[in-house]
Amino acid sequence: NAGVTQTPKFRVLKTGQSMTLLCAQDMNHEYMYWYRQDPGMGLRLIHYSVGEGTTAKGEVPDGYNVSRLKKQNFLLGLESAAPSQTSVYFCASSYRGQGPYNEQFFGPGTRLTVL
Amino acid sequence: KNQVEQSPQSLIILEGKNCTLQCNYTVSPFSNLRWYKQDTGRGPVSLTIMTFSENTKSNGRYTATLDADTKQSSLHITASQLSDSASYICVVSGASGTYKYIFGTGTRLKVLA
Repeated sequence: NAGVTQTPKFRVLKTGQSMTLLCAQDMNHEYMYWYRQDPGMGLRLIHYSVGEGTTAKGEVPDGYNVSRLKKQNFLLGLESAAPSQTSVYFCASSYRGQGPYNEQFFGPGTRLTVL
Repeated sequence: KNQVEQSPQSLIILEGKNCTLQCNYTVSPFSNLRWYKQDTGRGPVSLTIMTFSENTKSNGRYTATLDADTKQSSLHITASQLSDSASYICVVSGASGTYKYIFGTGTRLKVLA
């Protein structure tokens, strides 16, 4: 089992460029999440999905879009990147939602710099 | 406002020593509390998960405690090893129906030889 994988690991963008981050999980999990981690702040939820074909906004969704066309994949898109989106992005998945025995498994992260 | 606060922000200890990290939260209603370990450049990895009815949970040399009345949790690391050097993150989630995980900012632990 690879668990949760993220592509790419690093990326540098110029302001206004677009890109897509790919998250894949091989644990047959229903729920998937995208977080960003910034210095001095806890992880913040951008968007999440409770199943194939569904998406929902998290705490900081502005400037991002997501899609969950296949159960195992969750894509995060930046249509017009801004310097404020410089961050480390983590994808996570869980069998179900926030119940006590639904552990979240995190990917290795994508470090994004927007110049 | 739902918050999770951790202390200290950073900690340096010698290999073999014990240490205790603190987590205070104001999340209500409360469902469960998790401790994660995050190595530099990696994603967080779960150490323990506790519901409001559990007051202690162990995972090897890691022991978490929870006092739901005072809304405090601690993570005790016994006989520290160099590999324990990492950030430790406390995460609290509310009762079902109010989906949200609240992440603390973490305690950065450095274990020296």
